[in-house]
Order: sequence, then C-alpha cells, then structure tokens
Amino acid sequence: GDSVTQTEGLVTLTEGLPVMLNCTYQTIYSNPFLFWYVQHLNESPRLLLKSFTDNKRTEHQGFHATLHKSSSSFHLQKSSAQLSDSALYYCALINQGGSAKLIFGEGTKLTVSS
Amino acid sequence: GPKVLQIPSHQIIDMGQMVTLNCDPVSNHLYFYWYKQILGQQMEFLVNFYNGKVMEKSKLFKDQFSVERPDGSYFTLKIQPTALEDSAVYFCASSLDWPSQNTLYFGAGTRLSVL
Repeated sequence: GDSVTQTEGLVTLTEGLPVMLNCTYQTIYSNPFLFWYVQHLNESPRLLLKSFTDNKRTEHQGFHATLHKSSSSFHLQKSSAQLSDSALYYCALINQGGSAKLIFGEGTKLTVSS
Repeated sequence: GPKVLQIPSHQIIDMGQMVTLNCDPVSNHLYFYWYKQILGQQMEFLVNFYNGKVMEKSKLFKDQFSVERPDGSYFTLKIQPTALEDSAVYFCASSLDWPSQNTLYFGAGTRLSVL
C-alpha cells in the first residue's frame, strides 16, 4: 500500500540556520498529492503546503517544497529557522486512485533554539 | 480559519466501558475522518465518512468501533467495549470535498485514557 517516510524523527537547529526535513513516499499511482502539515504543541495539525505538480516549487509562510516524482520526494525547506518554527511536521500523501485517505509519515519534531 | 471542535479534550474510562468521542466539523464540510495517534507515534488513519456512510476503514478500525453523524449533528466515534490499547489521542478532521483538492481541517484531539 501507499506509505510516507520521514527519516528524521528529531531535528535540532540554531535560529537562523536553514531547515530541511526529508520526505519520500511510495505509491503505485502516478499522480499523488503531497502535503506538509505542522502541529505546534497542544494544537491541532494544520496544512502548511501541498502540491501535485511535478518539479514545481510551492511556498507558504517562508517554507517551500518541490514534488519530485522521479525520486518520490517532497522535502520541506526554509532558508532561515525561527524559534516559532519549533513544532511537529508531518508529510502526507493522497493518491489519485480513488482513495480519500490521507496517509501520514512518522513526523519530524523540529526544535529551534537561540 | 475554519475550526473543528472535539469534545471532550480528555476522557478517562475503565476498560470494557463504552466511550463516545464527539466532533463538530466545519459547518459546510462533507467529508469526515478519524485518526489515532499513540503518544510519540504517527497519525494513523482509522476511517473516513461521506454521505452518511463509511467510505474506507483501516485495520485499526476494529469491530468495536463505529461512526455516525445523525442528522448533521456531531460526527461521533464510539468504542464499545474499550481495551487498554485504545488509549491514544483521537483526531477528527473534515474537508469540504474530495480531500486531494480540499484541505483537511483537524480538531485539537481527544486524549482517551483506558485504565
């Protein structure tokens, strides 16, 4: 079945350094939709970014990601980390095979310190 | 932005009892979801629901689980009877339409503790 892999469980950064959170996926369908959700402490997960277009950069709130179907990746990046970026980040997938099921990766906890 | 409300935020019950988790989805949304998150682990899909019916359910959605949304009221997840392994945070979500094109909005979760 479909799956999403986030290799880093925990990322710790100093404020001002670049952020890169890895996400790869597996699906038999050729047109997946990929998402990044962010969950701050004691809050609900909310959508940060989404994309279904190959090789097109999508941006929101200083974060960006590009879906690369050739490598089945959708890495999340930001040029300069802020303290307020500390949160849990989930990569997620919906395939175009008729499923209405959003499948999450394991999540990456990002901690930004001063 | 749109809000999904979950009631209660925390529920403690004894193993074997019945529990109902309530979700008030965004008012005009048509698709509804439940996810389970055990502490420190990933969000896992349980079930989705549309037009009064379950569309898909995962292996985690045991026979003891049921969902309904009677007359446009709360979207509920009922567990009867509960087991120790049901202890987790349960997240409800809703979307306006088919989820690939439409954002899922999540509630803050209900933490269920089964003793």
